[in-house]
Amino acid sequence: EAQVTQNPRYLITVTGKKLTVTCSQNMNHEYMSWYRQDPGLGLRQIYYSMNVEVTDKGDVPEGYKVSRKEKRNFPLILESPSPNQTSLYFCASSLSWLAGAYEQYFGPGTRLTVT
Amino acid sequence: GQQVMQIPQYQHVQEGEDFTTYCNSSTTLSNIQWYKQRPGGHPVFLIQLVKSGEVKKQKRLTFQFGEAKKNSSLHITATQTTDVGTYFCAGSRYSGDSNYQLIWGAGTKLIIKP
Repeated sequence: EAQVTQNPRYLITVTGKKLTVTCSQNMNHEYMSWYRQDPGLGLRQIYYSMNVEVTDKGDVPEGYKVSRKEKRNFPLILESPSPNQTSLYFCASSLSWLAGAYEQYFGPGTRLTVT
Repeated sequence: GQQVMQIPQYQHVQEGEDFTTYCNSSTTLSNIQWYKQRPGGHPVFLIQLVKSGEVKKQKRLTFQFGEAKKNSSLHITATQTTDVGTYFCAGSRYSGDSNYQLIWGAGTKLIIKP
């Protein structure tokens, strides 16, 4: 089954404790991205990757890191989480980013609470 | 800041009434996508519009892309409880070097009154 998986689905952590949220897709998609969703603000892009070893900042990259060592995986790293990073996080992938936008496939989401 | 304005933020309707959400961009878009997010779920792709003035239908859902490719709408006829959720538009804009930027609206939440 074609899908995007994220882990963990729920996480409660404390300020400053490094964490990683994993994202994996099995569709051989070139493009992957991370979003955060907050009430009234819709989806805001954190980072994106057009292909292996190619990543770039989205609209709200501060406090986050990413890496794309393999095509299927795109982990999101919070080196020192703070309470303002409490949010619902979605990973998404799409076939490519050339010649316009393609359908985005979203993972199930990770609800993160930083106390 | 957001460059695609989506209104309204919420819409309460009685079951059987119609629902419409609108997206307006300050710049011309290459295409626009629509997604639906059920409560507790993740966004799911509904459709993509590419051509100026394009209209597409999916059963009770009608999607339109404006002539200037700066605005779009989603209209649901005779809403059902299964339509509940938040509807997002996402406009694609060329940003140079063969890159496109996807700009999201804030979403419209469809609520069915009991």
